[in-house]
Amino acid sequence: ILNVEQSPQSLHVQEGDSTNFTCSFPSSNFYALHWYRWETAKSPEALFVMTLNGDEKKKGRISATLNTKEGYSYLYIKGSQPEDSATYLCAFASSNTGKLIFGQGTTLQVKP
Amino acid sequence: DVKVTQSSRYLVKRTGEKVFLECVQDMDHENMFWYRQDPGLGLRLIYFSYDVKMKEKGDIPEGYSVSREKKERFSLILESASTNQTSMYLCASSLGSTLTEAFFGQGTRLTVV
Repeated sequence: ILNVEQSPQSLHVQEGDSTNFTCSFPSSNFYALHWYRWETAKSPEALFVMTLNGDEKKKGRISATLNTKEGYSYLYIKGSQPEDSATYLCAFASSNTGKLIFGQGTTLQVKP
Repeated sequence: DVKVTQSSRYLVKRTGEKVFLECVQDMDHENMFWYRQDPGLGLRLIYFSYDVKMKEKGDIPEGYSVSREKKERFSLILESASTNQTSMYLCASSLGSTLTEAFFGQGTRLTVV
């Protein structure tokens, strides 16, 4: 079973703080790396799908970077807001399977 | 608006019952997935399907089966429910390869008593 690890498991920050978390995945047979946000009582929603080494993607205050050679991706949130409180999931796709393997998630709590 | 709909939000079943979880998508997606989510373990893939009547085992298929008779519908079947199958079940669909994002249903919280 392919291993996808996310750290930290949970994070509490104050409104206005910037934060980042890590997703580690196998560096061989890389195909794609996905980031999802999962708010309580809602469905997970895609933030980014990243495919190229060195890729950087941005959506508002959230950005992500990708290093396929060393097998990690960072998700950054600039100036966290209470509405950013959610579980952030990364998912790895290997080139020789048709499936997404998810990490265990990082749960972010932003206090007003 | 794209939609993945799961038949139930909450379900309580007895040990030994046969349980059907239904998932329907309206996006004409080829791929459909069933995951379960347990605290500290993230989403674990049970089964997926890349075409009608096609299915592939995921990482934890034991105790489950699936059915995909129509492109828009993917059913998860618990042949004989057990208490260790108490979990949140999420259905997802995607177009083509894993280069495209997955769309998720709202989840079914199943409790087996």
